[in-house]
Amino acid sequence: GAVVSQHPSWVICKSGTSVKIECRSLDFQATTMFWYRQFPKQSLMLMATSNEGSKATYEQGVEKDKFLINHASLTLSTLTVTSAHPEDSSFYICSATSGGRETQYFGPGTRLLVL
Amino acid sequence: AQSVTQPDIHITVSEGASLELRCNYSYGATPYLFWYVQSPGQGLQLLLKYFSGDTLVQGIKGFEAEFKRSQSSFNLRKPSVHWSDAAEYFCAVAGAEGGFKTIFGAGTRLFVKA
Repeated sequence: GAVVSQHPSWVICKSGTSVKIECRSLDFQATTMFWYRQFPKQSLMLMATSNEGSKATYEQGVEKDKFLINHASLTLSTLTVTSAHPEDSSFYICSATSGGRETQYFGPGTRLLVL
Repeated sequence: AQSVTQPDIHITVSEGASLELRCNYSYGATPYLFWYVQSPGQGLQLLLKYFSGDTLVQGIKGFEAEFKRSQSSFNLRKPSVHWSDAAEYFCAVAGAEGGFKTIFGAGTRLFVKA
């Protein structure tokens, strides 16, 4: 149980385009989802927290207009990287919690490469 | 402020040897503590967690961790390492004080030599 999927697993795009990443909880209802980015050989940095049906809460330094997060249902959250640039290339990981918010279940990650 | 320190950037152990990965945390209230493992290009897998109760926690894949409040530590141990344990290990802390945001340590990369 508690499986989280991400799609796509990797994406290559041209600079200036927008990319959407989906995060789905497959066998539970995720009241809260988190989005992280991870640079090579570094730890995970929390970008934002999203609760179903409400606006996401962004961490300091994360541009909410650049990283659009939508949590429209209890099983789906999306992260859209708008007008992507090479510096946005990273590994993006989502996680989800159900009920008790202490334990997060992580997706497999999406590797984004912006050319 | 909440923080997690993993003093060792990387560790190399021989297959079959014992392992201990260090983790120290700074947290005002009683923390929830986690250890995750990440294989290259993969997401994170939860090894074990501590919320309350017995301070020695058993996890998957033969791992265990001990919560020591006096030392603000939550070290991960395994009595006999297998080559498949080579990966990146992250210690993390969360709790009500931080709005349940999970704070991750920088990670320790484990290398296993034959």
